[in-house]
Amino acid sequence: NAGVTQTPKFQVLKTGQSMTLQCAQDMNHNSMYWYRQDPGMGLRLIYYSASEGTTDKGEVPNGYNVSRLNKREFSLRLESAAPSQTSVYFCASSVARYRSLAQHFGDGTRLSIL
Amino acid sequence: AQTVTQSQPEMSVQEAETVTLSCTYDTSESDYYLFWYKQPPSRQMILVIRQEAYKQQNATENRFSVNFQKAAKSFSLKISDSQLGDAAMYFCAYRRGVIGGGSQGNLIFGKGTKLSVKP
Repeated sequence: NAGVTQTPKFQVLKTGQSMTLQCAQDMNHNSMYWYRQDPGMGLRLIYYSASEGTTDKGEVPNGYNVSRLNKREFSLRLESAAPSQTSVYFCASSVARYRSLAQHFGDGTRLSIL
Repeated sequence: AQTVTQSQPEMSVQEAETVTLSCTYDTSESDYYLFWYKQPPSRQMILVIRQEAYKQQNATENRFSVNFQKAAKSFSLKISDSQLGDAAMYFCAYRRGVIGGGSQGNLIFGKGTKLSVKP
């Protein structure tokens, strides 16, 4: 059972380059999320998708865009990468956004922007 | 806005001993959920335990248990019989209960506690 799969696992970009992080889940979950994790910080929500066809901003959305391609896939795009976006990015999913069931996380993407 | 505070950046425990990780949160809500996640060096985020605010009984999962003090807004994690595999970052997280729209239903994380286990 794959769970939540993120690609790539590592990526190095130059400032100004664009990049799309891919996320797919095979648990038939309705809701999906993108977080970033910086040193000394917990995870902070970038964007989320409560259900297929909807997306909303989280705590730190600036510089990012997302696409909920279908129920399984939720991608995160950096249009013009900046060094401040160097971070570890996590995708997560849950059955439904407003229930107590916990979110399941992917293994993360370590992104470095030079 | 809700906040989650983990006041211990690092903790250390001897193998087979017990350790308690602290977490406090600030909210004006009465309906919410609390979680502890473990992040080992592999970077995976693994759910350890979950507590519903409306339940007075403290959650337990094998060697992991919580001390949930709703009035004090405290949610500590106790790890009994610590094992080398317990070494990881531990994150406390808060989530509002059933609500309408907006981002308020999402997880809010503390900054984490790094737990070391000594053999």
